[in-house]
Amino acid sequence: DIQMTQSPSSLSASVGDRVTITCRASQGISNYLAWYQQKPGKVPKLLIYAASTLQSGVPSRFSGSGSGTDFTLTISSLQPEDVATYYCQKYNSAPGTFGPGTKVDIK
Amino acid sequence: QLQLQESGPGLVKPSETLSLTCTVSGGSISSSSYYWGWIRQPPGKGLEWIGSIYYSGSTYYNPSLKSRVTISVDTSKNQFSLKLSSVTAADTAVYYCARLLRAAGPVDYWGQGTLVTVSS
Repeated sequence: DIQMTQSPSSLSASVGDRVTITCRASQGISNYLAWYQQKPGKVPKLLIYAASTLQSGVPSRFSGSGSGTDFTLTISSLQPEDVATYYCQKYNSAPGTFGPGTKVDIK
Repeated sequence: QLQLQESGPGLVKPSETLSLTCTVSGGSISSSSYYWGWIRQPPGKGLEWIGSIYYSGSTYYNPSLKSRVTISVDTSKNQFSLKLSSVTAADTAVYYCARLLRAAGPVDYWGQGTLVTVSS
């Protein structure tokens, strides 16, 4: 099975900072990559799919890029409401493996 | 607005079978555009994809759980179900039912989740 890794595992940044999270697949998955945001005690929320397509209603400060094995999620200007754990997920074929998550908080 | 709601016992004994049902409202489970699946999250840990099903009955399972998992669909009730056999404490988790855009993802709608504890 394809393994998914994320870095860093956690980060602390100031409001307004640009934040970048990396997700890597152990084999190529084309652009079959999604990003989710999970706030504490809440249900995960789809942010981005097809590596770079913003889900309806998601703020434009979120963006995604990459293809093949290396992907990034960028928050252009971190807001207090962005405190959450972010997960990537590959979905080119079953199983739809998730990355281990990156916890983001405010410095 | 599509809604998914998990139901089932919150406590299961070790070695027994965990059974959950997801009821879909606000949309048809027979839509050809979507798959329906289960994802779990142990307390304080990350997300694990369990498996998914198409309305026709085609199933896709995580190899790590495949020997113990069965997902089924009842289109007449607009429901789908999860059975996980021979459970241990490691199966304690919040179980989410979900709508998927493809067999493996992404997930665009989630249920609220239900905590299932495996304990005697």
